[in-house]
Amino acid sequence: EDKVVQSPLSLVVHEGDTVTLNCSYEVTNFRSLLWYKQEKKAPTFLFMLTSSGIEKKSGRLSSILDKKELSSILNITATQTGDSAIYLCAVYNNNDMRFGAGTRLTVKP
Amino acid sequence: GAVVSQHPSRVICKSGTSVKIECRSLDFQATTMFWYRQFPKQSLMLMATSNEGSKATYEQGVEKDKFLINHASLTLSTLTVTSAHPEDSSFYICSARGLGGGPNTEAFFGQGTRLTVV
Repeated sequence: EDKVVQSPLSLVVHEGDTVTLNCSYEVTNFRSLLWYKQEKKAPTFLFMLTSSGIEKKSGRLSSILDKKELSSILNITATQTGDSAIYLCAVYNNNDMRFGAGTRLTVKP
Repeated sequence: GAVVSQHPSRVICKSGTSVKIECRSLDFQATTMFWYRQFPKQSLMLMATSNEGSKATYEQGVEKDKFLINHASLTLSTLTVTSAHPEDSSFYICSARGLGGGPNTEAFFGQGTRLTVV
């Protein structure tokens, strides 16, 4: 059965800290991995990763995929209270998009 | 990014009645739509995947007769919760993937529907 596992499930940091969120997967016919941020309702798209070793960057956020290790990390540097959210990792196979349990990040002032 | 509109955002219904939730892609054609359910403080659980013009593929444990999914056009998919019970109360959210977009195309989310069955 396809699995997407995120760690940690919960993380509390202070403003200015750097965090690394992990996502590992066991999926048949892997096609791509996506990161989303969910605050109140709908998840908002962060990154889509299809190739190993190529870092994607957007401001203080960056992410990279390791297909050999079947994993991805999401880094957030110089965290701000507005980064507090649930970060979801999702994996596409040929047809489905499945999510991990999410990491609940709390950034304290 | 593309816009997906989900309606209603919130609905309260009586036990035993049916509720229809609509998911529309407003500025693109969605060949694939995903329906998820989310319990409080939990992640999105895939219920079914629907491709336009064909029957939805349901995840194990999801009753297809209870959660009717119709994806009759490239811009509209509906989820009908039939004979709703209090345990069906949840947050339902759809996401849509564009025309010609395989798994290398991101999916866009609706705003979700909070269903409460009383």
